[in-house]
Amino acid sequence: DQQVKQNSPSLSVQEGRISILNCDYTNSMFDYFLWYKKYPAEGPTFLISISSIKDKNEDGRFTVFLNKSAKHLSLHIVPSQPGDSAVYFCAARGDHNTGNQFYFGTGTSLTVIP
Amino acid sequence: GAGVSQTPSNKVTEKGKYVELRCDPISGHTALYWYRQSLGQGPEFLIYFQGTGAADDSGLPNDRFFAVRPEGSVSTLKIQRTERGDSAVYLCASSQDGQGLYGYTFGSGTRLTVV
Repeated sequence: DQQVKQNSPSLSVQEGRISILNCDYTNSMFDYFLWYKKYPAEGPTFLISISSIKDKNEDGRFTVFLNKSAKHLSLHIVPSQPGDSAVYFCAARGDHNTGNQFYFGTGTSLTVIP
Repeated sequence: GAGVSQTPSNKVTEKGKYVELRCDPISGHTALYWYRQSLGQGPEFLIYFQGTGAADDSGLPNDRFFAVRPEGSVSTLKIQRTERGDSAVYLCASSQDGQGLYGYTFGSGTRLTVV
C-alpha cells in the first residue's frame, strides 16, 4: 500500500514561472520529509527537507510547505529554470518502528519550457 | 571516493542465476542503504546497515535476497535464483548518520534485467 503519493506524474511549466509539485501521505506518524531530484541515469539527489514541527522551509528558489492536518506537502520552485527539468520524488521518514526507512512517492516529471 | 559508486551499472542475467551488486559508499559514512526502484515507481527500502551490521532488513522481499557489509564500508547485495520480477534499478545510498536528516547520497544504481 502506497503511503506516499504523488498523483501528478508530469508537470510542464514555462521558464520563469512557479512550479508546484504536490505530495500526500497517509501515516500521521511520519515526522520528517524530503524532496529529491533525479536526472536520467543518475541516482536521486537531496534537494530540501522539512521537519514535522515546521510548516515551511526555504532554500533559495526552493520552498517546501507542510500541512500536517491535511497530510500534504508541496514543493515550490520559483522562478523555474530549464535545468530544473527532472523527476522529483517526495519521501517521508518512517515512524518509530521504521525510522531508518524512507517511503518514496512515485515521482513527478517536471519539464520547464524555455 | 567523492560519491557513492555502484558496479556494475548494468547487469543482464538469465532467470535462475545468481547475481552480486556492489556498492562503495562515501568514505566515512557509517550508514548504508539499499533501495530498489521498479519501472514507474519510487525507490523502495530493502535494507539498512549501521557499520557492519544489518540494523533493519525488513524490506528484503524474500530469502533469495541477502546483503553484507563485512568491513563497514563496501556492501554487496546478493540475489539467488533470480526471477523476472527482480528486474529493477538497485540503488545504494550512504549517509553520515542513520537518521537521514540531510538526505542520503545515492549512487547511480545498477540496472538489473532478468531475462
